[in-house]
Amino acid sequence: KAGVTQTPRYLIKTRGQQVTLSCSPISGHRSVSWYQQTPGQGLQFLFEYFSETQRNKGNFPGRFSGRQFSNSRSEMNVSTLELGDSALYLCASSLQDTSTDTQYFGPGTRLTVL
Amino acid sequence: AQSVTQLGSHVSVSEGALVLLRCNYSSSVPPYLFWYVQYPNQGLQLLLKYTTGATLVKGINGFEAEFKKSETSFHLTKPSAHMSDAAEYFCAVSDLRGGANSKLTFGKGITLSVRP
Repeated sequence: KAGVTQTPRYLIKTRGQQVTLSCSPISGHRSVSWYQQTPGQGLQFLFEYFSETQRNKGNFPGRFSGRQFSNSRSEMNVSTLELGDSALYLCASSLQDTSTDTQYFGPGTRLTVL
Repeated sequence: AQSVTQLGSHVSVSEGALVLLRCNYSSSVPPYLFWYVQYPNQGLQLLLKYTTGATLVKGINGFEAEFKKSETSFHLTKPSAHMSDAAEYFCAVSDLRGGANSKLTFGKGITLSVRP
């Protein structure tokens, strides 16, 4: 079974631009979560999608948004990029419930904002 | 609100020595607990998880962890470290509420170095 895939793996943007990251979950998984990982803050939860609906959201500004498609693939978008948005963005998929089901992580997208 | 504390950011051991990575949690309800490992330039991989039942949980690569409710701890151990164990390790907790409140809360992570 193929694992979680994320594209692109690396991205360089400048301040003020916007970016879209993509995540394809494991086949049959309906929940997709997004995390931001930085050296200073560690792993921080962004949001979770289930059946095309945002089910849970972390404490990030409205510049961070996401969506999920009917095939469970998910995208996240960051508008008006800031230097502090430079991070590794990780996507994780699970069967249904992120509290109880194991989350499987993708390799991440490394975003650098110049 | 649930939280995870991983004391120290870096642990260094000799090859063949015991590995002990500490994790303490806070949760208002019985938790599920997880340990993940992250190798350089990769995503996180599940090592083991505690749900219910036996408090000693065995995972992959020879790791195990013991859930101690009285101490609110879930420390990760491995009897004999191998060079390939060098990585970053994350402890995580979920509060089992599910639905709109479903999420994992991660600790800050501990970097494990293994000396030859």
